[in-house]
Parts: sequence; C-alpha cells; structure tokens
Amino acid sequence: DAGVTQSPTHLIKTRGQHVTLRCSPISGHKSVSWYQQVLGQGPQFIFQYYEKEERGRGNFPDRFSARQFPNYSSELNVNALLLGDSALYLCASSFSTGDTEAFFGQGTRLTVV
Amino acid sequence: EDQVTQSPEALRLQEGESSSLNCSYTVSGLRGLFWYRQDPGKGPEFLFTLYSAGEEKEKERLKATLTKKESFLHITAPKPEDSATYLCAVQAWVSGYALNFGKGTSLLVTP
Repeated sequence: DAGVTQSPTHLIKTRGQHVTLRCSPISGHKSVSWYQQVLGQGPQFIFQYYEKEERGRGNFPDRFSARQFPNYSSELNVNALLLGDSALYLCASSFSTGDTEAFFGQGTRLTVV
Repeated sequence: EDQVTQSPEALRLQEGESSSLNCSYTVSGLRGLFWYRQDPGKGPEFLFTLYSAGEEKEKERLKATLTKKESFLHITAPKPEDSATYLCAVQAWVSGYALNFGKGTSLLVTP
C-alpha cells in the first residue's frame, strides 16, 4: 500500500518567491494536516483539512495557505518566502478528523536562500 | 497554553542498556498522547497513542506509559537500529485535532 506521498522531496527558493508543496494521503484517508519542522525542533501544526474544508489553523502568518482537492490531495502554499521558512514540511493523513492515528509523509525539505 | 517538554534532549546507550525517555505535559483536557519515532530526514513514524492515566502499550522493545502529568517511553535491551529521535505529542479536546509536539529525544545506541 502506498503511504503518504509528498512532492517535491527537496526545493531551493529565493527570498520573496512563492512555493507550492503537494501531498497525496493514504488511499481512503480524508483528512490532511500540514506541519513545519525546523531543525532541532518538533513539528509545528500549520493546517488541517477534512472533506475540503479547513478544520484547524496553527499560529502561522497569512503568507501560508492551503487547500484540499476532491480526491483529498492537498497543497500548501507559502508566499513572500523568508529565510526563516527554511524547514522540513510534513504532511500527515488520517481517515477522519476524529482518527487519532496520523501517518506522516517523508516531507519536503525547503531551503530559502 | 499546552506545553510538552521532553527529557533528556539526547541519550547515548550501549546495546542492551535499558532506559526511559520522559515526556512532561500540561494540557487543557487531554484527548490523546502520542509517541512517534523519526529517523534523520524522514517523517515521523507512529508508535503509540495513550488516552488515560494508567494506560500502557507495548511494541517489541518499547513500552509507553501515561500518568496525569507525564508519559514514559521505556526501551528494553535496545539495539543500534533503535537509534532515532523520539517525539512526544499531545492532542487537546479544545484545540481540535492538532498535535502539539515536544522537541524530541535523540537516542543513539552503540554496539
């Protein structure tokens, strides 16, 4: 069975640019969450989507946005990139928002120069 | 505000030397406490969910326990392949389904 897949695996962007990260959840899973993990820290919650609706938002600026598509895949968009946005971006999928077992993808390593 | 503190930050063990990792938490209404394992450059791998004080779960050489203020991850007779960062996270009823992670404990098991 395919797990959570994220693309791309690595990305280098310049300050001020925009980036789109993609996530495909496990087949049958309807909830997708996004996390940011800075080196040496635990993951920080950014967004959760379920059935294409935003169900939760962490303490991140409006430069961060996301959406979920009818096939339950998701995109995370970050505008006006800052050096501090350099991190591992993780996508987690679960069957529903009430499902306490979340499965993470391998992440997208974003470097902003 | 929910807080998760993991200790120690780093732990070095000899193969076969058992030990415990600690996760202290403060949360308004615990929905669940989670343990994940993370290898370098990879996403976290789910290990356990604990829901109420007194609960215990085991998987191979790992055993997780929960009290009202902390959780322990006991590692019995570890092997080098157990080397990883172990993350603890809490989920609160009031904050939806977001996981609030600690910084993790980096475990190195030497032969």
